[in-house]
Amino acid sequence: DGGITQSPKYLFRKEGQNVTLSCEQNLNHDAMYWYRQDPGQGLRLIYYSQIVNDFQKGDIAEGYSVSREKKESFPLTVTSAQKNPTAFYLCASSTTGDDYNEQFFGPGTRLTVL
Amino acid sequence: GQQLNQSPQSMFIQEGEDVSMNCTSSSIFNTWLWYKQDPGEGPVLLIALYKAGELTSNGRLTAQFGITRKDSFLNISASIPSDVGIYFCAGLDQGGKLIFGQGTELSVKP
Repeated sequence: DGGITQSPKYLFRKEGQNVTLSCEQNLNHDAMYWYRQDPGQGLRLIYYSQIVNDFQKGDIAEGYSVSREKKESFPLTVTSAQKNPTAFYLCASSTTGDDYNEQFFGPGTRLTVL
Repeated sequence: GQQLNQSPQSMFIQEGEDVSMNCTSSSIFNTWLWYKQDPGEGPVLLIALYKAGELTSNGRLTAQFGITRKDSFLNISASIPSDVGIYFCAGLDQGGKLIFGQGTELSVKP
């Protein structure tokens, strides 16, 4: 089945450690996105990539890093510089080229920093 | 930055009742979208609106793109328990970025 997978579903990390969240899609989409969701707030864009080997910062990129070495994969690293990393992280993907390209979301990873 | 104000923040209703929620913005959007998110899952697109004044239905859901392009509403008729979840509006800005509202949490009592 085509879709977006994120792993792990739940992740615990000690303060001061870097952690990498996985996002894979087999929809053959060019564009991929990372969002952060906090309780009572909408989704906020962290990073996005419209093509392999290229990515742009979103609204809240500080303390995060990404890579896009393969079309199918867009991992997000939450670094120790991110001051408040506990949140629900959502990955999405879409086609490109039209006025609007629907973003399909993965199931999310809940990160808790202890 | 751009912001969407979504209201109400939460709703507690009886099964069978109709529901209405809306989003307003100080900016113009080219496209309005409505998503539903079940607990612990990613959002799923319910309805997309592409033209000012457009009224679109998807089963018991109806959404409208405001004439001013700065607002949108979503109605759910005859609510059922599986309607429970968080509903988000999102606007596509001139640069192609999605801006999300804060969400409306819907609880339905059987």
